[in-house]
Amino acid sequence: EIVLTQSPATLSLSPGERATLSCGASHSVTGGYLAWYQQKPGLAPRLLIYYGSTRATAIPDRFSGSGSGTDFTLTISRLEPEDFALYYCQHYDGPPSFGGGTKVEIK
Amino acid sequence: EVQLVQSGVEVKKPGESLKISCKGSGYSFTNYWIGWVRQMPGKGLEWMGSIYPIDSNTHYSPSFQGQATISADKSINTAYLQWSSLKASDTAMYYCARHPTGYPNWFDTWGQGTLVIVSS
Repeated sequence: EIVLTQSPATLSLSPGERATLSCGASHSVTGGYLAWYQQKPGLAPRLLIYYGSTRATAIPDRFSGSGSGTDFTLTISRLEPEDFALYYCQHYDGPPSFGGGTKVEIK
Repeated sequence: EVQLVQSGVEVKKPGESLKISCKGSGYSFTNYWIGWVRQMPGKGLEWMGSIYPIDSNTHYSPSFQGQATISADKSINTAYLQWSSLKASDTAMYYCARHPTGYPNWFDTWGQGTLVIVSS
């Protein structure tokens, strides 16, 4: 079983700044089988990234994913007001599981 | 447009049974795995299990095996999550979501969620 740990738990930043979110895996995630989601209050999660770095349909290019093995990163190059939300990583190298989430809040 | 539409809010008492639904449209429902994800109040996402509607092949998370049952009716493009005896700890938002290309996989389309409240 792969356990995902996200850090930091909370990221306090200003609009226009760069956000770097980390997702660490207890065992290597083969094939880059990792996805990222955004969730806003009261709404369902929205797929941002799959295969570690492939943007989903209609996702702006300020969102990018990178990494391999046990270390993955979601980067938001310049935060827009609508980007302040919760972010989850999920692996699918076996039975899926999610990380605990990172909240990106306005500083 | 690919859509998953879930049934509405449920308020139940401990010990009662419940079945919630997730209806797919805009795509060939039987050919895509559907997963269920729990989100307890103020907490993160937990994968419960996934089902392949065409033959009802199902995979459960070990954490949820025996706690709830996933099923599907391919004739009406609907997946279900059911409990035989609810507990207060089952209070949560439950999402269904589609795996785009087989299992295991990411989730590309999500339902709007069904809030289940279990309280005496």
